[in-house]
Amino acid sequence: EAQVTQNPRYLITVTGKKLTVTCSQNMNHEYMSWYRQDPGLGLRQIYYSMNVEVTDKGDVPEGYKVSRKEKRNFPLILESPSPNQTSLYFCASSLSGQGAYEQYFGPGTRLTVT
Amino acid sequence: GQSLEQPSEVTAVEGAIVQINCTYQTSGFYGLSWYQQHDGGAPTFLSYNALDGLEETGRFSSFLSRSDSYGYLLLQELQMKDSASYFCAVRDPNYGGSQGNLIFGKGTKLSVKP
Repeated sequence: EAQVTQNPRYLITVTGKKLTVTCSQNMNHEYMSWYRQDPGLGLRQIYYSMNVEVTDKGDVPEGYKVSRKEKRNFPLILESPSPNQTSLYFCASSLSGQGAYEQYFGPGTRLTVT
Repeated sequence: GQSLEQPSEVTAVEGAIVQINCTYQTSGFYGLSWYQQHDGGAPTFLSYNALDGLEETGRFSSFLSRSDSYGYLLLQELQMKDSASYFCAVRDPNYGGSQGNLIFGKGTKLSVKP
Protein backbone atom coordinates (compact mmCIF):
# COMPACT_ATOMS: atom_id res chain seq x y z
CA GLU A 1 0.00 0.00 0.00
CA ALA A 2 1.32 3.43 -1.00
CA GLN A 3 1.73 5.49 2.12
CA VAL A 4 3.63 8.00 4.19
CA THR A 5 4.40 6.89 7.74
CA GLN A 6 5.41 8.98 10.71
CA ASN A 7 6.67 8.00 14.13
CA PRO A 8 5.85 8.59 16.86
CA ARG A 9 2.19 9.55 16.48
CA TYR A 10 2.10 11.20 19.90
CA LEU A 11 4.96 12.58 21.95
CA ILE A 12 5.16 14.51 25.20
CA THR A 13 8.58 15.82 26.07
CA VAL A 14 10.32 18.48 28.12
CA THR A 15 12.04 21.66 27.06
CA GLY A 16 15.52 21.12 25.73
CA LYS A 17 15.42 17.36 25.22
CA LYS A 18 16.42 16.58 21.65
CA LEU A 19 13.94 14.58 19.63
CA THR A 20 13.51 13.18 16.13
CA VAL A 21 10.27 12.53 14.28
CA THR A 22 10.75 10.04 11.49
CA CYS A 23 9.01 10.13 8.13
CA SER A 24 9.15 7.48 5.45
CA GLN A 25 7.40 7.04 2.09
CA ASN A 26 7.25 3.97 -0.13
CA MET A 27 6.25 5.66 -3.41
CA ASN A 28 9.73 6.60 -4.67
CA HIS A 29 8.74 10.26 -4.47
CA GLU A 30 11.38 12.89 -5.06
CA TYR A 31 9.75 15.65 -3.03
CA MET A 32 9.18 15.54 0.72
CA SER A 33 8.09 18.21 3.14
CA TRP A 34 7.30 18.93 6.77
CA TYR A 35 4.41 21.09 7.98
CA ARG A 36 3.11 22.18 11.31
CA GLN A 37 -0.55 22.84 11.92
CA ASP A 38 -1.77 25.18 14.63
CA PRO A 39 -5.34 26.33 15.33
CA GLY A 40 -6.24 29.37 13.27
CA LEU A 41 -2.95 29.31 11.37
CA GLY A 42 -3.51 26.45 8.97
CA LEU A 43 -0.60 24.44 7.57
CA ARG A 44 2.79 26.08 7.51
CA GLN A 45 5.77 24.60 5.75
CA ILE A 46 8.86 24.01 7.89
CA TYR A 47 11.37 22.43 5.50
CA TYR A 48 11.19 20.64 2.21
CA SER A 49 13.43 18.48 0.07
CA MET A 50 13.41 18.35 -3.72
CA ASN A 51 15.55 15.20 -3.74
CA VAL A 52 18.29 13.34 -1.86
CA GLU A 53 20.75 15.73 -0.21
CA VAL A 54 18.69 18.74 -1.37
CA THR A 55 16.79 20.54 1.39
CA ASP A 56 15.53 24.08 1.81
CA LYS A 57 13.72 26.21 4.33
CA GLY A 58 9.99 26.71 4.28
CA ASP A 59 7.97 29.34 6.05
CA VAL A 60 8.86 28.54 9.67
CA PRO A 61 12.25 26.74 9.85
CA GLU A 62 13.55 28.21 13.12
CA GLY A 63 14.28 25.54 15.74
CA TYR A 64 14.13 22.63 13.30
CA LYS A 65 16.61 20.60 11.28
CA VAL A 66 16.13 18.04 8.56
CA SER A 67 18.23 15.66 6.51
CA ARG A 68 17.60 13.66 3.35
CA LYS A 69 20.23 10.94 3.08
CA GLU A 70 17.91 8.44 1.43
CA LYS A 71 15.04 9.04 -0.94
CA ARG A 72 12.44 7.39 1.28
CA ASN A 73 13.28 9.04 4.62
CA PHE A 74 13.03 12.64 5.77
CA PRO A 75 13.42 12.97 9.55
CA LEU A 76 12.57 16.16 11.43
CA ILE A 77 14.93 17.01 14.27
CA LEU A 78 14.26 19.35 17.16
CA GLU A 79 17.63 19.92 18.81
CA SER A 80 16.27 21.85 21.79
CA PRO A 81 12.47 21.80 21.79
CA SER A 82 10.57 24.67 23.34
CA PRO A 83 6.88 24.98 24.33
CA ASN A 84 6.13 27.09 21.23
CA GLN A 85 6.91 24.01 19.15
CA THR A 86 3.91 22.22 20.62
CA SER A 87 1.91 21.47 17.50
CA LEU A 88 0.57 18.87 15.09
CA TYR A 89 3.22 17.91 12.54
CA PHE A 90 2.64 16.42 9.12
CA CYS A 91 5.10 14.93 6.72
CA ALA A 92 4.14 14.85 3.03
CA SER A 93 5.58 13.61 -0.23
CA SER A 94 4.87 14.06 -3.91
CA LEU A 95 6.24 12.74 -7.16
CA SER A 96 8.05 15.99 -7.88
CA GLY A 97 8.46 19.46 -6.46
CA GLN A 98 7.83 21.02 -9.84
CA GLY A 99 4.35 22.26 -10.59
CA ALA A 100 1.73 21.26 -8.07
CA TYR A 101 1.72 17.48 -7.94
CA GLU A 102 -0.63 15.86 -5.46
CA GLN A 103 0.90 15.69 -1.99
CA TYR A 104 0.40 12.60 0.14
CA PHE A 105 0.33 13.31 3.86
CA GLY A 106 1.35 11.11 6.76
CA PRO A 107 -1.05 10.58 9.68
CA GLY A 108 0.49 13.33 11.79
CA THR A 109 2.53 13.56 14.99
CA ARG A 110 1.07 15.42 17.92
CA LEU A 111 3.93 16.92 19.91
CA THR A 112 3.63 18.52 23.33
CA VAL A 113 6.63 20.28 24.84
CA THR A 114 6.32 21.16 28.55
CA GLY B 1 3.76 39.16 0.79
CA GLN B 2 2.19 35.83 -0.09
CA SER B 3 -1.33 35.21 1.18
CA LEU B 4 -4.35 33.07 0.53
CA GLU B 5 -7.75 34.12 1.82
CA GLN B 6 -10.69 31.81 2.33
CA PRO B 7 -13.72 31.97 4.64
CA SER B 8 -13.16 30.46 8.06
CA GLU B 9 -16.50 28.68 8.30
CA VAL B 10 -19.38 27.64 6.08
CA THR B 11 -22.58 25.82 7.04
CA ALA B 12 -24.94 24.04 4.64
CA VAL B 13 -27.61 21.33 4.69
CA GLU B 14 -27.47 17.83 3.26
CA GLY B 15 -28.19 17.72 -0.44
CA ALA B 16 -27.33 21.38 -0.98
CA ILE B 17 -24.51 22.96 -3.01
CA VAL B 18 -21.76 24.98 -1.36
CA GLN B 19 -18.97 27.06 -2.83
CA ILE B 20 -15.73 27.77 -0.95
CA ASN B 21 -13.79 30.70 -2.36
CA CYS B 22 -10.06 31.29 -2.31
CA THR B 23 -8.26 34.45 -3.36
CA TYR B 24 -4.51 34.49 -3.51
CA GLN B 25 -1.76 37.03 -3.63
CA THR B 26 1.57 35.54 -4.68
CA SER B 27 4.42 36.74 -6.84
CA GLY B 28 4.47 33.51 -8.82
CA PHE B 29 1.96 30.79 -9.46
CA TYR B 30 2.15 27.12 -10.35
CA GLY B 31 -1.51 26.30 -9.86
CA LEU B 32 -4.19 26.09 -7.20
CA SER B 33 -4.79 22.90 -5.23
CA TRP B 34 -7.52 21.91 -2.80
CA TYR B 35 -7.20 19.57 0.16
CA GLN B 36 -9.77 18.09 2.53
CA GLN B 37 -9.05 17.36 6.18
CA HIS B 38 -11.43 15.63 8.57
CA ASP B 39 -11.05 16.27 12.29
CA GLY B 40 -8.09 14.29 13.61
CA GLY B 41 -7.03 13.23 10.14
CA ALA B 42 -4.43 14.11 7.56
CA PRO B 43 -5.09 16.40 4.59
CA THR B 44 -6.02 14.57 1.41
CA PHE B 45 -5.75 15.92 -2.11
CA LEU B 46 -8.97 16.84 -3.91
CA SER B 47 -8.11 18.78 -7.05
CA TYR B 48 -5.62 20.91 -8.93
CA ASN B 49 -6.12 23.73 -11.45
CA ALA B 50 -3.21 25.06 -13.47
CA LEU B 51 -5.30 26.71 -16.18
CA ASP B 52 -8.43 28.84 -16.10
CA GLY B 53 -11.71 27.05 -16.03
CA LEU B 54 -13.65 24.36 -14.26
CA GLU B 55 -12.38 20.89 -13.37
CA GLU B 56 -14.97 18.34 -12.32
CA THR B 57 -14.41 15.20 -10.28
CA GLY B 58 -17.63 13.56 -9.25
CA ARG B 59 -19.54 15.74 -6.79
CA PHE B 60 -16.60 18.12 -6.44
CA SER B 61 -15.56 20.79 -8.94
CA SER B 62 -12.81 23.36 -8.78
CA PHE B 63 -12.54 26.60 -10.70
CA LEU B 64 -9.65 28.96 -11.40
CA SER B 65 -9.40 32.46 -12.80
CA ARG B 66 -5.75 33.47 -12.96
CA SER B 67 -6.56 37.02 -14.07
CA ASP B 68 -8.62 37.50 -10.90
CA SER B 69 -6.25 35.49 -8.66
CA TYR B 70 -9.32 33.59 -7.56
CA GLY B 71 -10.56 30.08 -7.37
CA TYR B 72 -13.30 28.10 -5.72
CA LEU B 73 -14.24 24.59 -4.71
CA LEU B 74 -17.82 23.58 -5.43
CA LEU B 75 -19.36 20.70 -3.53
CA GLN B 76 -22.67 19.35 -4.81
CA GLU B 77 -25.21 16.98 -3.27
CA LEU B 78 -23.67 17.55 0.12
CA GLN B 79 -23.39 14.58 2.46
CA MET B 80 -22.73 14.49 6.19
CA LYS B 81 -19.32 12.96 5.50
CA ASP B 82 -18.33 16.16 3.66
CA SER B 83 -18.12 17.93 7.02
CA ALA B 84 -14.41 18.75 7.17
CA SER B 85 -11.92 21.56 6.69
CA TYR B 86 -10.97 22.53 3.16
CA PHE B 87 -7.67 24.19 2.30
CA CYS B 88 -6.58 25.91 -0.87
CA ALA B 89 -2.86 25.88 -1.62
CA VAL B 90 -0.51 27.54 -4.11
CA ARG B 91 3.09 26.75 -4.95
CA ASP B 92 4.88 30.00 -5.54
CA PRO B 93 8.13 29.47 -7.47
CA ASN B 94 9.34 32.91 -6.47
CA TYR B 95 8.71 32.56 -2.75
CA GLY B 96 11.87 32.49 -0.71
CA GLY B 97 13.95 32.22 -3.87
CA SER B 98 13.12 28.54 -4.29
CA GLN B 99 10.61 26.32 -6.01
CA GLY B 100 9.29 24.15 -3.29
CA ASN B 101 7.33 26.35 -0.96
CA LEU B 102 3.69 25.38 -0.87
CA ILE B 103 1.51 28.03 0.73
CA PHE B 104 -1.77 26.95 2.31
CA GLY B 105 -4.79 29.04 3.18
CA LYS B 106 -5.95 28.85 6.78
CA GLY B 107 -8.79 26.55 5.89
CA THR B 108 -12.59 26.65 5.71
CA LYS B 109 -14.51 24.52 8.19
CA LEU B 110 -17.58 23.13 6.46
CA SER B 111 -20.42 21.89 8.64
CA VAL B 112 -23.13 19.89 6.91
CA LYS B 113 -26.44 19.76 8.82
CA PRO B 114 -29.20 17.16 8.37
